[in-house]
Amino acid sequence: KAGVTQTPRYLIKTRGQQVTLSCSPISGHRSVSWYQQTPGQGLQFLFEYFSETQRNKGNFPGRFSGRQFSNSRSEMNVSTLELGDSALYLCASSQRLAGSSYEQYFGPGTRLTVT
Amino acid sequence: GQQVMQIPQYQHVQEGEDFTTYCNSSTTLSNIQWYKQRPGGHPVFLIQLVKSGEVKKQKRLTFQFGEAKKNSSLHITATQTTDVGTYFCAQTTGRGAGGTSYGKLTFGQGTILTVHP
Repeated sequence: KAGVTQTPRYLIKTRGQQVTLSCSPISGHRSVSWYQQTPGQGLQFLFEYFSETQRNKGNFPGRFSGRQFSNSRSEMNVSTLELGDSALYLCASSQRLAGSSYEQYFGPGTRLTVT
Repeated sequence: GQQVMQIPQYQHVQEGEDFTTYCNSSTTLSNIQWYKQRPGGHPVFLIQLVKSGEVKKQKRLTFQFGEAKKNSSLHITATQTTDVGTYFCAQTTGRGAGGTSYGKLTFGQGTILTVHP
């Protein structure tokens, strides 16, 4: 199976602009989660989508939003970019396996730089 | 909120030495997962521990879950340069219809491992 793919891989934006990042999960995975990774804050959960519905949300301002489509592909949007939004944005898809076995598969990430 | 504290933040070892990273929580964990992130890469799932006192091995890696399910450790025997990277523990903290949602992970701060040849 193909892994989780994210586009674009690198992005440079200026303050005040908005950006949309895309994630295609592993085929058959219905849950897609987004994380922000920065040197100072580490890996922080943004939100999770399952069957087109936001199931969990992290502690990020409303400028961060997302959605999931019927084919499980997901997008996240950040409006009115700030310098502090510069980060690696990771998407992960997951599927429960037999019993309590479970794992998340991360994509390569989108490196966003805000200038 | 729920969080796991991970120590040490950094660890420098000579190739062949052992390495251990620890995760501690003030609350009981339903399970704990471990991930490895190579420099410039993305987190890769290593293992999930669920049962109290559970010990699992993957070649030179040994994972333990405490009896009280409040702590966990990852031990690498005889490190190699290929072990370089950041090791994260993570707990599932999400909720979905019918119980736990595994789509929301709360990560520890990570331990950055450097191996000197």
